[in-house]
Amino acid sequence: DSGVTQTPKHLITATGQRVTLRCSPRSGDLSVYWYQQSLDQGLQFLIQYYNGEERAKGNILERFSAQQFPDLHSELNLSSLELGDSALYFCASSVAGQFTDTQYFGPGTRLTVL
Amino acid sequence: GQNIDQPTEMTATEGAIVQINCTYQTSGFNGLFWYQQHAGEAPTFLSYNVLDGLEEKGRFSSFLSRSKGYSYLLLKELQMKDSASYLCAVRRGAGSYQLTFGKGTKLSVIP
Repeated sequence: DSGVTQTPKHLITATGQRVTLRCSPRSGDLSVYWYQQSLDQGLQFLIQYYNGEERAKGNILERFSAQQFPDLHSELNLSSLELGDSALYFCASSVAGQFTDTQYFGPGTRLTVL
Repeated sequence: GQNIDQPTEMTATEGAIVQINCTYQTSGFNGLFWYQQHAGEAPTFLSYNVLDGLEEKGRFSSFLSRSKGYSYLLLKELQMKDSASYLCAVRRGAGSYQLTFGKGTKLSVIP
């Protein structure tokens, strides 16, 4: 158990809908990262937050957005869902700011868009 | 940009040694990570290299050559539970904690 929690574990929805994925980082970690993993693409970095502020952006679609709250939990919002958005979504956390900073991953949310 | 290459699949025998290679081309470098991922589960951290050389941690070792853009993960005394995907990830320059992952190497350990 990495100490990172994600809810829900599974999510099934329809095209055009909007969903929210939630992540709570390990105690003491200030940084949260979101990744998408599909069968053919591997783990793709979406976005990073550090202590409530956006730090880095990867291949995140405009239909997706995220935020990190004062208690450091984070939410990833996916809207106007398409079939191709079906994937595993992972959240990771790290202390950030340390040279040997390591990301620890949560169990993931499996999103199925029908 | 960044480009990370790993073999797609490998098969090895229980009790043997296997080496999984990773080559990378990056615009900056601040460390290379190896993660293990069982199907449908979260990646779990295995090792980190930022300087050239070998890092040993029990049955697992990881090597880095920055000048060659090359790393490998060495797994000794293979066990059936080592069947998993192994992901190589590179972190860019100082101040950036973002990781770029390779597509992973699926290792199958057979009796």
